[in-house]
Amino acid sequence: NAGVTQTPKFQVLKTGQSMTLQCAQDMNHNSMYWYRQDPGMGLRLIYYSASEGTTDKGEVPNGYNVSRLNKREFSLRLESAAPSQTSVYFCASTEDSYEQYFGPGTRLTVT
Amino acid sequence: EDQVTQSPEALRLQEGESSSLNCSYTVSGLRGLFWYRQDPGKGPEFLFTLYSAGEEKEKERLKATLTKKESFLHITAPKPEDSATYLCAPNDYKLSFGAGTTVTVRA
Repeated sequence: NAGVTQTPKFQVLKTGQSMTLQCAQDMNHNSMYWYRQDPGMGLRLIYYSASEGTTDKGEVPNGYNVSRLNKREFSLRLESAAPSQTSVYFCASTEDSYEQYFGPGTRLTVT
Repeated sequence: EDQVTQSPEALRLQEGESSSLNCSYTVSGLRGLFWYRQDPGKGPEFLFTLYSAGEEKEKERLKATLTKKESFLHITAPKPEDSATYLCAPNDYKLSFGAGTTVTVRA
């Protein structure tokens, strides 16, 4: 039982490049989330998926797209990376309104 | 604006020196509040859920309490292994987490 896994763990991009962050959970949770964490600002919600086949915008969705591939997987795509997207990205999952389980994070630097 | 605010930003304690962290919220219709612990380089790990004013939860040296406007995380006789960033979050995933309190416990 691996919980929530994320790939890659580290990534460096140049401005304008694209990439996809992958997330998978093996707890059979319906809901999945993508957050970014910046110093002094806490975790901010980018997108979430309440169930397979649905996605909704969070607080900071601009510059990102998501895909809920199936119940296990939820990916985050940066189409044209910008320095402002340098951050640590966390994926999480939960069942109903209970506590979230987080992945180990992806550290992204955009130069 | 619905939000949670944590204070202080950082707390340096001597081993055994008890203290409290604060999480104040202005979320209307709050349906509960979570506390998480985050170690450097890792994702947050769940500690407690508090659903109603007056509720208390305990785990080892940590005790969380909830009033109508704020929550406290009390650390009693902390040890160096309690060093971490402690995050609070409303039970509404459309809202952001608090920025956290980074606790450092010196031996």
